[in-house]
Amino acid sequence: KAGVTQTPRYLIKTRGQQVTLSCSPISGHRSVSWYQQTPGQGLQFLFEYFSETQRNKGNFPGRFSGRQFSNSRSEMNVSTLELGDSALYLCASSLAGGSHNEQFFGPGTRLTVL
Amino acid sequence: AQSVAQPEDQVNVAEGNPLTVKCTYSVSGNPYLFWYVQYPNRGLQFLLKYITGDNLVKGSYGFEAEFNKSQTSFHLKKPSALVSDSALYFCAVRDFNSGNTPLVFGKGTRLSVIA
Repeated sequence: KAGVTQTPRYLIKTRGQQVTLSCSPISGHRSVSWYQQTPGQGLQFLFEYFSETQRNKGNFPGRFSGRQFSNSRSEMNVSTLELGDSALYLCASSLAGGSHNEQFFGPGTRLTVL
Repeated sequence: AQSVAQPEDQVNVAEGNPLTVKCTYSVSGNPYLFWYVQYPNRGLQFLLKYITGDNLVKGSYGFEAEFNKSQTSFHLKKPSALVSDSALYFCAVRDFNSGNTPLVFGKGTRLSVIA
């Protein structure tokens, strides 16, 4: 079974631009979560989608948005990029997003904002 | 609100010695607890979880963790460390009684196993 895939793996943007990151979950998984990882803040939860609905949202500004498609693939978008948005963005999928289900992570997208 | 603390930023251990990576948690109800490992330039990999039942949970790569409800801890252990165990380790918790709230991660502990 293929794992979680994320594209692109690396991205360089300049301040003010926008970016879209993509995540394909493990086949059969319906829940997709996004995290931002930085050296200073660790892993911070962005949002979770389940069956195309946003189920949870972290404490990030409205510049960060996401969506999930009917095939469970998910995208996240960051508009008006700031230097502080430079981070590793991780996507994770799980079967149904239930409390006891472990998440399976993709390799991440490394975003650098210049 | 749920939270996780990993009190050590860095743990150093000699190869062949036992290792422990500490984790304490706070939830209002009962916890679901997880350990993940991250190797350089990779995503997180699931190691093990505690849901219910035996307090000693065995996971991948010879790791195990002990759930201690009275001390609200879930320390990760391995009897004999390998150089290849060197990585960043994350503890995470979710409150059993809180429905579908997000998984909360600790800050991570960097394990360095020295040959």
